[in-house]
Amino acid sequence: GAGVSQTPSNKVTEKGKYVELRCDPISGHTALYWYRQSLGQGPEFLIYFQGTGAADDSGLPNDRFFAVRPEGSVSTLKIQRTERGDSAVYLCASSSGGAGTDTQYFGPGTRLTVL
Amino acid sequence: QKEVEQNSGPLSVPEGAIASLNCTYSDRGSQSFFWYRQYSGKSPELIMFIYSNGDKEDGRFTAQLNKASQYVSLLIRDSQPSDSATYLCAVTAYYGGSQGNLIFGKGTKLSVKP
Repeated sequence: GAGVSQTPSNKVTEKGKYVELRCDPISGHTALYWYRQSLGQGPEFLIYFQGTGAADDSGLPNDRFFAVRPEGSVSTLKIQRTERGDSAVYLCASSSGGAGTDTQYFGPGTRLTVL
Repeated sequence: QKEVEQNSGPLSVPEGAIASLNCTYSDRGSQSFFWYRQYSGKSPELIMFIYSNGDKEDGRFTAQLNKASQYVSLLIRDSQPSDSATYLCAVTAYYGGSQGNLIFGKGTKLSVKP
């Protein structure tokens, strides 16, 4: 079946602009995660949804970052007043959300460049 | 601060050799441990996971876990040039019965020379 998809694959924006990044998880997966990966680093957790609600948003760096998942499937990560330091690859992952060891499957990522 | 430490490498091994990748973690509450492979410019893909002390084998890959030492390793036997990639160690804990987010190390870059 189809894996996790993310759009756009690349986004170039100017400092101060607003951007939206979209994630379409694997069908039936109730858990959805957003991570951010900078060059030479491992992915860094941002936010985790279980269904429609944010179960853990402790990784969001500040209030310029916000994410929604209104119908429990597609999620949008929103970044206001972008800064050059926001440049990174934004990864989305989904999992079945069941009990026990739960494998997260990653999408291809969105490369965000803030000029 | 929950941390996962890996040697960034690069680790260079000849084709056919055993590659040994190591990882330590700080949170004793960690319960599941994952190894992901990431090719340059691509997203992480799961190789295997382990949650019990000891060894777990899958083909050419063996994961080893020692919770007392807070240490996880990945052995790759008969290394191939196609194994050249960055290997990410990740750990997680459970909250209310459900698995939480992954905490990743910075990754170890492996280079397998023909």
